[in-house]
Amino acid sequence: NAGVTQTPKFQVLKTGQSMTLQCAQDMNHEYMSWYRQDPGMGLRLIHYSVGAGITDQGEVPNGYNVSRSTTEDFPLRLLSAAPSQTSVYFCASSYSYRVGSYEQYFGPGTRLTVT
Amino acid sequence: GENVEQHPSTLSVQEGDSAVIKCTYSDSASNYFPWYKQELGKGPQLIIDIRSNVGEKKDQRIAVTLNKTAKHFSLHITETQPEDSAVYFCAASKGGQLTFGSGTQLTVLP
Repeated sequence: NAGVTQTPKFQVLKTGQSMTLQCAQDMNHEYMSWYRQDPGMGLRLIHYSVGAGITDQGEVPNGYNVSRSTTEDFPLRLLSAAPSQTSVYFCASSYSYRVGSYEQYFGPGTRLTVT
Repeated sequence: GENVEQHPSTLSVQEGDSAVIKCTYSDSASNYFPWYKQELGKGPQLIIDIRSNVGEKKDQRIAVTLNKTAKHFSLHITETQPEDSAVYFCAASKGGQLTFGSGTQLTVLP
């Protein structure tokens, strides 16, 4: 198993540009999520999904969209990039949201800089 | 919502000494408390977790304790080694969503 994969590893955007961060997992996990990591602030939840076709907002959803058309993929879209979205983005997945198996597996991250 | 506070933000110990990182949480309904280790340039990796029906859990040199009454939990690393140097995050959850602490940079000095 490759686990959780993310592309690209690094990205530089200009203010106002849009882009999609890709996330895929090959563990047949039901639950997937996106976090951003900023210095001194830990990881903050952006959006999450409890299964294909189901998504919901986390703590900091503004400026981001997600969709979950398959179990494997959970892309994160930045609609109009802003410097405040400069961060490291992590995708994570978990076997199930419901049955108490909460261990989340994290991808290697995407470092995004918005100028 | 849940709020998790983590202390200290940085911690330096001599190789072989013990390290303790502490977290407090605000929501008494939280029932799952994982600890993650993040090495430079990598994603966080689960190292140990504890559920609210357990007071202590050990895995070799790592242990976690939970005090539900006081709403705090701690990570203990004994006989520290240079490879323990990393950022450690605590988290709390009551239903899948994790709320993370702000992280502790642990440095083990040779």
